[in-house]
Amino acid sequence: DTGVSQNPRHKITKRGQNVTFRCDPISEHNRLYWYRQTLGQGPEFLTYFQNEAQLEKSRLLSDRFSAERPKGSFSTLEIQRTEQGDSAMYLCASSLGTGNQPQHFGDGTRLSIL
Amino acid sequence: AQSVTQLDSHVSVSEGTPVLLRCNYSSSYSPSLFWYVQHPNKGLQLLLKYTSAATLVKGINGFEAEFKKSETSFHLTKPSAHMSDAAEYFCVVIPGVGGSQGNLIFGKGTKLSVKP
Repeated sequence: DTGVSQNPRHKITKRGQNVTFRCDPISEHNRLYWYRQTLGQGPEFLTYFQNEAQLEKSRLLSDRFSAERPKGSFSTLEIQRTEQGDSAMYLCASSLGTGNQPQHFGDGTRLSIL
Repeated sequence: AQSVTQLDSHVSVSEGTPVLLRCNYSSSYSPSLFWYVQHPNKGLQLLLKYTSAATLVKGINGFEAEFKKSETSFHLTKPSAHMSDAAEYFCVVIPGVGGSQGNLIFGKGTKLSVKP
């Protein structure tokens, strides 16, 4: 069990640029979740996958946000045309099986928009 | 709708004294409840979970929490604080019957400070 891995750990970019983050879940976990955490707040759910199927995406913050998990293993979260308000920590988690199993979190990707 | 409310945004204790972090929940169903801890610039680590088995749940690092349905509470306690316990703590619920919806709903967090 190597844990959930997120890359990069930090991303600094100019407003208007596109960014992509990667998440590698624990290998046997079939569920993968994305959250956003702003300063002083708890994480906010964005979307999740069961295997390669994206089961919930209505919480994605705008149509500039999209996520994929093409082969049911790693996932990417893309933000197009970044804005100042996108600055946050983006967290990925994975879990095994059904909904109430504990989620295991990565260390996150911190996005800073200049 | 299910939700959790953490009653204190900041708790400060002295090393060696007890810790109490308070959480109330709102749920139409028997909830699945968790406590997570987050150290600075790190992801979240699961401390313990309640899923309708025993009402007193023991977790890692000496923490425990008691589910009290009559009070709709799930407070986190530790008998003796250690300097390494200083972190942010989140009370969490999974929405849906039996946690069927999967995604976590977080409280706003309680920052625990431990004085030497």
